[in-house]
Amino acid sequence: DGGITQSPKYLFRKEGQNVTLSCEQNLNHDAMYWYRQDPGQGLRLIYYSQIVNDFQKGDIAEGYSVSREKKESFPLTVTSAQKNPTAFYLCASSTAAWGTGELFFGEGSRLTVL
Amino acid sequence: AQSVTQLGSHVSVSEGALVLLRCNYSSSVPPYLFWYVQYPNQGLQLLLKYTSAATLVKGINGFEAEFKKSETSFHLTKPSAHMSDAAEYFCAVTFNYGQNFVFGPGTRLSVLP
Repeated sequence: DGGITQSPKYLFRKEGQNVTLSCEQNLNHDAMYWYRQDPGQGLRLIYYSQIVNDFQKGDIAEGYSVSREKKESFPLTVTSAQKNPTAFYLCASSTAAWGTGELFFGEGSRLTVL
Repeated sequence: AQSVTQLGSHVSVSEGALVLLRCNYSSSVPPYLFWYVQYPNQGLQLLLKYTSAATLVKGINGFEAEFKKSETSFHLTKPSAHMSDAAEYFCAVTFNYGQNFVFGPGTRLSVLP
């Protein structure tokens, strides 16, 4: 079945450590996105990519980094510079490069900093 | 700037009662509008979308929404709530010309037996 796979589902990290969240899609979508979700705040855009080897910062990019070396993959690294990284992270993709198609979401990764 | 508001962070209804979740947006250009549902610890699933065709949009699980340009609204309704409808619902908007999605803060729906 086509879809978006995020891993790991749950991740624990000590302060000062970088962690990388995986996102893979087999929908042949051009655009991919990373969102952060905190209780009562909806979804906030971290980074997005409209095409391979190109990506743009979203509203809350500080402390995060991404790469887009392959169309199907868009990993997110949460660096030690992110001051409050505990959150639920959602990866998404869409058919239209300019945001007019609906978003398809993965199941999410919950990161907890100890 | 474009924005989305959802009136009521938490809505409770009885099983079998009407569900009404409110969404208003602000935009200077015609929008595309979406409703998503999220169950605990899961991703978001598309319920329905408005893309400038019919103003009354039918979605999955018996939900529908009506686009009202004059009120800049896109409220979600379901005639009869089911226990399985308990979840968080997000309204989202996107636009032409390369704008990305803007999500509302979400409304948590509880269904009482």
